[in-house]
Amino acid sequence: GNSVTQMEGPVTLSEEAFLTINCTYTATGYPSLFWYVQYPGEGLQLLLKATKADDKGSNKGFEATYRKETTSFHLEKGSVQVSDSAVYFCALSGETNAGKSTFGDGTTLTVKP
Amino acid sequence: NAGVTQTPKFQVLKTGQSMTLQCAQDMNHNSMYWYRQDPGMGLRLIYYSASEGTTDKGEVPNGYNVSRLNKREFSLRLESAAPSQTSVYFCASSERTSGNTQYFGPGTRLTVL
Repeated sequence: GNSVTQMEGPVTLSEEAFLTINCTYTATGYPSLFWYVQYPGEGLQLLLKATKADDKGSNKGFEATYRKETTSFHLEKGSVQVSDSAVYFCALSGETNAGKSTFGDGTTLTVKP
Repeated sequence: NAGVTQTPKFQVLKTGQSMTLQCAQDMNHNSMYWYRQDPGMGLRLIYYSASEGTTDKGEVPNGYNVSRLNKREFSLRLESAAPSQTSVYFCASSERTSGNTQYFGPGTRLTVL
């Protein structure tokens, strides 16, 4: 079945540091890939997505590229802010598995001033 | 446009009590989902409804029942609550199951004593 493995946390960075959160997946066919973000006390919300190989999703300075050859969708941001402190989830949704989404376990990011 | 709403926000139950968690969406989405979120375990799918009139089990359905009341509403019922069901419950919706962004509600924090 489908699976998503993401970098274990927690991750603690200083403001303006570079961020990478690794995500790799296992799936048949060509799933869509997502990064969701969860701020304290809230539900998940979409951060960015990519629907086919070599697509780059981007939003709020975050980027991730759909790499079919390495089955990866790593999240990056060049300069993090305190307000980026949250839990980040990598997810996929495909034609198999009845189209249900598969989520990673989440990576907690804390950015210190 | 409220998106996905959930009631209640917080609930405390005693072992053996029953309750229903309510979820509604105003985005005319076909698919709806119930997840539970436990520390260190990411999101786990309890039940989902691919379209009005259908429901299917997810990863952890035991101890729960669902009703897709109409296109807007999808409720989750705990018939006899157990301490193992202490969790944060999220409802989500999407236009359809495969490859679509999911939109999450704010969550219900449930404690079973």
